[in-house]
Amino acid sequence: DQQVKQNSPSLSVQEGRISILNCDYTNSMFDYFLWYKKYPAEGPTFLISISSIKDKNEDGRFTVFLNKSAKHLSLHIVPSQPGDSAVYFCAADDISNFGNEKLTFGTGTRLTIIP
Amino acid sequence: ETGVTQSPTHLIKTRGQQVTLRCSSQSGHNTVSWYQQALGQGPQFIFQYYREEENGRGNFPPRFSGLQFPNYSSELNVNALELDDSALYLCASSSRRDRERRTEAFFGQGTRLTVV
Repeated sequence: DQQVKQNSPSLSVQEGRISILNCDYTNSMFDYFLWYKKYPAEGPTFLISISSIKDKNEDGRFTVFLNKSAKHLSLHIVPSQPGDSAVYFCAADDISNFGNEKLTFGTGTRLTIIP
Repeated sequence: ETGVTQSPTHLIKTRGQQVTLRCSSQSGHNTVSWYQQALGQGPQFIFQYYREEENGRGNFPPRFSGLQFPNYSSELNVNALELDDSALYLCASSSRRDRERRTEAFFGQGTRLTVV
């Protein structure tokens, strides 16, 4: 039962253009969403998060959008740079787990930025 | 400020053996979580420790156990290793005060465990 889904295993984008990574979830109790970036041989690195009370959060080149009714979130990277090439994981946290917090991850999307 | 460090980075064990993986939390963090990442999958939550006590567990059998020490470092122990235990094991540390929501988790580089 995959509660967080990233349906695109890979994505290629030209340098300078916008990268859009998508994530869908099924658990209505999820109230906090995060994006992590992972390079080979390294642990995931936190990028940006959004609470369910917001629909947008922006940090520099990274913007996360949340559509609660559609149970969908997306990460926009503008402009895309070669260093953005990595695997991106969407993760969600469940409000009912407060005090026992755990992250539920998607399977990841491999982003390749083409110079 | 030191980051999250894990040891060893790679490990090969035989089926049926036991293994201990170690994690040093980021300075100032009091919560440690362990995740298993199988090939081609996202990390899966194993359990979390807060103030030296288990604070939540995922769908993993009891042969997966852990400890957190007073300095907030942690160990993950796996008994009776099975071939399917081969994976990248990630430790993540974060900080939480009582019932406040914790900060975002910071991950170590992981330990690659291969069971043969």
